Amino acid sequence: NAGVTQTPKFRVLKTGQSMTLLCAQDMNHEYMYWYRQDPGMGLRLIHYSVGEGTTAKGEVPDGYNVSRLKKQNFLLGLESAAPSQTSVYFCASRGGYQETQYFGPGTRLLVL
Amino acid sequence: AQSVTQLGSHVSVSEGALVLLRCNYSSSVPPYLFWYVQYPNQGLQLLLKYTTGATLVKGINGFEAEFKKSETSFHLTKPSAHMSDAAEYFCAVSEIYYGGSQGNLIFGKGTKLSVKP
Repeated sequence: NAGVTQTPKFRVLKTGQSMTLLCAQDMNHEYMYWYRQDPGMGLRLIHYSVGEGTTAKGEVPDGYNVSRLKKQNFLLGLESAAPSQTSVYFCASRGGYQETQYFGPGTRLLVL
Repeated sequence: AQSVTQLGSHVSVSEGALVLLRCNYSSSVPPYLFWYVQYPNQGLQLLLKYTTGATLVKGINGFEAEFKKSETSFHLTKPSAHMSDAAEYFCAVSEIYYGGSQGNLIFGKGTKLSVKP
């Protein structure tokens, strides 16, 4: 099992550009999450999904969109990137009857 | 609303010394509690968790934590620090709703542990 994987590992964008971050899990988990990590702020939830075809907003959803068309994939989109979105993005997944979230290795995004 | 407070953004100990990382939470219902560790340039890895049962929980790498409901605390300890313990540690809480469903994780801001030789 690869667990949770994230693509790409690192990306540099210019202000106004768009991109999509891909998260994939091979554990057949129902729940998937997108977080951002900023220095001194811990992890903050952006969006999450409780199953295929469903998504919901977390603590800091503005400027992001998500889709969960397949159970194993959870996509995070930035339509018009801003410097404030410079961050490290983590994806996580959890089985329906488990307590633990399993995290991917992260994507470093720099918006100039 | 839930919240998690980690006292001390940086903690420094000598190799072989006791490690104590503090975590206090607020929750309207009995929560699940977690400690995650993040090594440089890596994702988060579960150290240990409290769900139900024994309030002293043991995790990986010699760490343990005790759930104290009266103090709303879940402090992380290790008797003897090792250089390889240098990392950032995050405490997190998840509420358990009626019927057993679990809420989302709320993370503390993290504590960076440095270990001096």
